[in-house]
Amino acid sequence: QQQVKQSPQSLIVQKGGISIINCAYENTAFDYFPWYQQFPGKGPALLIAIRPDVSEKKEGRFTISFNKSAKQFSLHIMDSQPGDSATYFCAASLNDYKLSFGAGTTVTVRA
Amino acid sequence: NAGVMQNPRHLVRRRGQEARLRCSPMKGHSHVYWYRQLPEEGLKFMVYLQKENIIDESGMPKERFSAEFPKEGPSILRIQQVVRGDSAAYFCASSPELGGENTEAFFGQGTRLTVV
Repeated sequence: QQQVKQSPQSLIVQKGGISIINCAYENTAFDYFPWYQQFPGKGPALLIAIRPDVSEKKEGRFTISFNKSAKQFSLHIMDSQPGDSATYFCAASLNDYKLSFGAGTTVTVRA
Repeated sequence: NAGVMQNPRHLVRRRGQEARLRCSPMKGHSHVYWYRQLPEEGLKFMVYLQKENIIDESGMPKERFSAEFPKEGPSILRIQQVVRGDSAAYFCASSPELGGENTEAFFGQGTRLTVV
């Protein structure tokens, strides 16, 4: 049973455009929602994270929007750059260590 | 401060052999986690360890897999009698503490196991 569902599987965006990745979760007890960025051959790196007591968090060009009632959260990458081309994973956890990951979204930014 | 170190980066084993994957957490981190990533999938939690203790192994297969984090030395993920289905990338992560503000888990670069 996949506890976090992520879409789309892949997306292509032009340089300067907006990339949007969506995730939905099942367990209402989850209390930590991070996004990870992974480049080929590398481990995932934390990009930005949110707790359910806020509806939005912004760090530079990356924004998380969180909808607790709908059990959904999304990542927006503004002004997408070629260097943002990577695989992005959403995740959720109950007790800070047991992360349940989405299946990933491969983002390609065309120059 | 070196990051999470995993070795080897690539490991090839024949069916039936043993695979030993090592993970040295970041300095000052006492919590270690192992995840497995199959091709085209997200990471799946396997086990959470603190020094000399297994805290949560709910994601570990019941047979052939074991993990340890001794008082001295790296954490070891051991897979006995490997089968082709064990081929995956195995990631280790570490964190300094749970709860509070500082809960980020830092991931290593992974060990890519290929069973032939």
